[in-house]
Amino acid sequence: ETGVTQTPRHLVMGMTNKKSLKCEQHLGHNAMYWYKQSAKKPLELMFVYNFKEQTENNSVPSRFSPECPNSSHLFLHLHTLQPEDSALYLCASSQVPDSSYEQYFGPGTRLTVT
Amino acid sequence: DQQVKQNSPSLSVQEGRISILNCDYTNSMFDYFLWYKKYPAEGPTFLISISSIKDKNEDGRFTVFLNKSAKHLSLHIVPSQPGDSAVYFCAASDWDSNYQLIWGAGTKLIIKP
Repeated sequence: ETGVTQTPRHLVMGMTNKKSLKCEQHLGHNAMYWYKQSAKKPLELMFVYNFKEQTENNSVPSRFSPECPNSSHLFLHLHTLQPEDSALYLCASSQVPDSSYEQYFGPGTRLTVT
Repeated sequence: DQQVKQNSPSLSVQEGRISILNCDYTNSMFDYFLWYKKYPAEGPTFLISISSIKDKNEDGRFTVFLNKSAKHLSLHIVPSQPGDSAVYFCAASDWDSNYQLIWGAGTKLIIKP
């Protein structure tokens, strides 16, 4: 595997379910990110982990719970979601500090909450 | 309030012609700007970037122009090819933001054969 991988690619869940999204980066980076992308909206940064420490939580509801066990893996645990949480969830990684600011993205998980 | 704005949700261009995608920002502290390209069912991929100390950066068919006084940047693609059909996102950052990116909503570019 190369780059940033995400599983599953598609997920349909009911509002009472619990599920987890997984992200793995094979780039040796030290920072990882969760983004939410809704149709025709900017990418919304949800969580940032630098060196496995959470450095940002952009007022994300507690029904989203991130976990970063090491610098290569990132999880997003989901429980009691709402239909408005349906979106594309993107994981990204980068090396910080770095003069390029470039982030590398996985293919995303398309989440549908019914 | 959006700090990075892409006011054109979509743009249609004839193959072989120039595509110009625009991006405006409000935060004068932004010092680095990036363009990403996204195909359906894939994550965004980095295309080209520019530092605020420059006003132009070129990479093959892609050129980014930065006008700091107008807080405006644009991406030029010439000549446009069918494979350029995608959604293009503009993103910005500043040295104080802990390397976080602020994103625009994207412009869908359609290249007509």
